[in-house]
Amino acid sequence: KAGVTQTPRYLIKTRGQQVTLSCSPISGHRSVSWYQQTPGQGLQFLFEYFSETQRNKGNFPGRFSGRQFSNSRSEMNVSTLELGDSALYLCASSALGAEQYFGPGTRLTVT
Amino acid sequence: DAKTTQPPSMDCAEGRAANLPCNHSTISGNEYVYWYRQIHSQGPQYIIHGLKNNETNEMASLIITEDRKSSTLILPHATLRDTAVYYCIVRVENRDDKIIFGKGTRLHILP
Repeated sequence: KAGVTQTPRYLIKTRGQQVTLSCSPISGHRSVSWYQQTPGQGLQFLFEYFSETQRNKGNFPGRFSGRQFSNSRSEMNVSTLELGDSALYLCASSALGAEQYFGPGTRLTVT
Repeated sequence: DAKTTQPPSMDCAEGRAANLPCNHSTISGNEYVYWYRQIHSQGPQYIIHGLKNNETNEMASLIITEDRKSSTLILPHATLRDTAVYYCIVRVENRDDKIIFGKGTRLHILP
């Protein structure tokens, strides 16, 4: 069974731009969660989607948004990028409430 | 905030058992103890979880104290590939997928 895939793996953007990251969950998993990891703040929960509905949201500004499609694939979007948004963005999928399986992450650099 | 406390770092000799402690004194009756690890620049990897009984799988053993206020993850024969940050998490199973990560324990395996 294929694991969680994230695209792109690396991305460089300029301040003020916007970015969209993609996550394909493990087949059969309907829950997708997103996390941001930085050296200073560690792993922080962004949001969780299940059956195309956002179930949980972390403490991030409205510039961070996401969505989930009917095939459970998910995207997250960050608008008006700031230097502090440079981070590793991780996606995880699960059969709801069970252990989560993480993808390799997208490393975003904002210059 | 994370509901667990872990030592920031530990060393273990290769081939020996690595015992990683975790305190979760405010754990609720329906919360499970989960362990994940993150090898440098990769997504976190699920290791094991348990409620109150000791658990073992092909990767590790989980020992939970009778009062459930602490637990120990045991890697029976540590190898250099076990060098990683280990996260202990408490969460309610079969509810939502929001994980609050703490800072974890950085385990160094010494050759």
